[in-house]
Amino acid sequence: DAGVIQSPRHEVTEMGQEVTLRCKPISGHNSLFWYRQTMMRGLELLIYFNNNVPIDDSGMPEDRFSAKMPNASFSTLKIQPSEPRDSAVYFCASSPLANLYNEQFFGPGTRLTVL
Amino acid sequence: SQQGEEDPQALSIQEGENATMNCSYKTSINNLQWYRQNSGRGLVHLILIRSNEREKHSGRLRVTLDTSKKSSSLLITASRAADTASYFCATGPTNDYKLSFGAGTTVTVRA
Repeated sequence: DAGVIQSPRHEVTEMGQEVTLRCKPISGHNSLFWYRQTMMRGLELLIYFNNNVPIDDSGMPEDRFSAKMPNASFSTLKIQPSEPRDSAVYFCASSPLANLYNEQFFGPGTRLTVL
Repeated sequence: SQQGEEDPQALSIQEGENATMNCSYKTSINNLQWYRQNSGRGLVHLILIRSNEREKHSGRLRVTLDTSKKSSSLLITASRAADTASYFCATGPTNDYKLSFGAGTTVTVRA
């Protein structure tokens, strides 16, 4: 199994530009999570999906952030327009629905730098 | 907001020594999990302990859970240089998929 796949691994962009982060969860996993990690705030849950449906987006910081999951094997996190304070490592994680104890499997992350 | 809080924030030990870190949390949980994060990598699940369990072992890892004190500990025995990483506790509430992560303990194992 390839595990959770994220792309790109690194992204450097200028303030005001649109950024799209991509995630492919582990096949058969029904829950998908987007996290953001910074030194100041630690690991924050942004949004999670269950069976492709957004269940809780209360962690999404602003309207500039949006996430979609058009099918069971793909999700995107978009930031438009990006700002320097969005610089962070963004992780995608997936979890099998059948696992009631919700162990999560993390991708390698996307390191975003907004200049 | 972070549910789990790890202590200490950082730990430096000699190879072969044991490393102990603690996690405290505030609300009732279904389970508590420990994750490891190597520098520049994603988090890796280490061990899960259920609320009705008191102790669990996995290789050189030993986890305890005291629900009356709302605390857990992670012990790494006979540490190796490869154990150098940040360790996070995460609490799993009942009937929810959301995990709440602590700020982590950074462990450095000196050769």
